[in-house]
Amino acid sequence: NAGVTQTPKFQVLKTGQSMTLQCAQDMNHNSMYWYRQDPGMGLRLIYYSASEGTTDKGEVPNGYNVSRLNKREFSLRLESAAPSQTSVYFCASSEGFSGANVLTFGAGSRLTVL
Amino acid sequence: GDSVTQMEGPVTLSEEAFLTINCTYTATGYPSLFWYVQYPGEGLQLLLKATKADDKGSNKGFEATYRKETTSFHLEKGSVQVSDSAVYFCALSNTGGFKTIFGAGTRLFVKA
Repeated sequence: NAGVTQTPKFQVLKTGQSMTLQCAQDMNHNSMYWYRQDPGMGLRLIYYSASEGTTDKGEVPNGYNVSRLNKREFSLRLESAAPSQTSVYFCASSEGFSGANVLTFGAGSRLTVL
Repeated sequence: GDSVTQMEGPVTLSEEAFLTINCTYTATGYPSLFWYVQYPGEGLQLLLKATKADDKGSNKGFEATYRKETTSFHLEKGSVQVSDSAVYFCALSNTGGFKTIFGAGTRLFVKA
């Protein structure tokens, strides 16, 4: 059981370039999330999708766009990368809708913007 | 808004020592509380959770009790191992909500 798979694992971009981080889950979860992790700041929510067909902003959405392609897949796009977007990005999923919202995380994507 | 505060690290212990990582929270309503662990080079994984006041979550020898009167959810383990070296995150989520709030994380080093 693969769980949450995200690609690529590492990426180096130049300022102004664009890229898309891909995420897929095979647990039939309803909800999916993108977080960024920066030293000393824990994880901050960028965008989430409570269910297929919906997306909402999190704490730090500026400079990002997302697409919930289907129930399994949730992508994160940087249209014009900036050095401030250098971070480790994590995709997560959860059953959603009820009870404690337990998150299952992917292994992370380390992005460096020069 | 909701927030989570946990003790700063790193915490360095010898094997078999007692571990406490403090966590306090601010939240409206009755949140669920979590501890997640991140091993080097990996994503976070759930360590334990508690969904209501006085609940005790436990897993792999780790425990934490949901204390509403002190708004705390401290993580404890009686005897740590080298394999427990990781970063530990306290987190909260309001029931039915989709936004999980994380603390800054506490790095634990355990020496043999």
